[in-house]
Amino acid sequence: GAVVSQHPSWVICKSGTSVKIECRSLDFQATTMFWYRQFPKQSLMLMATSNEGSKATYEQGVEKDKFLINHASLTLSTLTVTSAHPEDSSFYICSARDLSGRAVEQYFGPGTRLTVT
Amino acid sequence: GDSVTQMEGPVTLSEEAFLTINCTYTATGYPSLFWYVQYPGEGLQLLLKATKADDKGSNKGFEATYRKETTSFHLEKGSVQVSDSAVYFCALSKMAGANSKLTFGKGITLSVRP
Repeated sequence: GAVVSQHPSWVICKSGTSVKIECRSLDFQATTMFWYRQFPKQSLMLMATSNEGSKATYEQGVEKDKFLINHASLTLSTLTVTSAHPEDSSFYICSARDLSGRAVEQYFGPGTRLTVT
Repeated sequence: GDSVTQMEGPVTLSEEAFLTINCTYTATGYPSLFWYVQYPGEGLQLLLKATKADDKGSNKGFEATYRKETTSFHLEKGSVQVSDSAVYFCALSKMAGANSKLTFGKGITLSVRP
């Protein structure tokens, strides 16, 4: 149980275009999902916390108008990178917390590799 | 703010060697502590956790003990296998409600050779 999927697993887009990444909890409901960014050989950096039915909370330094997050249902959150530039190329990972709130642990998706050319 | 410090890597060991990966933390209050593992091409998986001082988390032969006096949560395994090759992340989380966040260390790459 506690499986989180991401789609696509990798994407290449041209500079100036937008790309949407989906994060789904497959076998549980998640009121809270998190979006991270991971640079090569570095740790995960939390970008934002997404709550179902409300606006996302962004970490300091993360542009909310550039990284649009929508959490429309208890099993789906999306991250849209708008007007992407090469510096946005990275590995984006989502995670979700189980609605039952048994613990603070998060379940992670496999990640999406974004390359902006 | 809260932070997690992991030893520098990478680490390369021979199969059946003893493993220790150091992790120390800085946090106010009483965080929960975690070790996550990321196998090549996969997402992070929870390896083990401890929620209070002196708790020992264990899974798949790995162990870590929550030491509040030394603010540490070192990961150990008595005999590593080639299949343990992965990136290991130490993390903490505050029990601060539904939006409690994970703070990660930088991660360390473990390579186990046959």
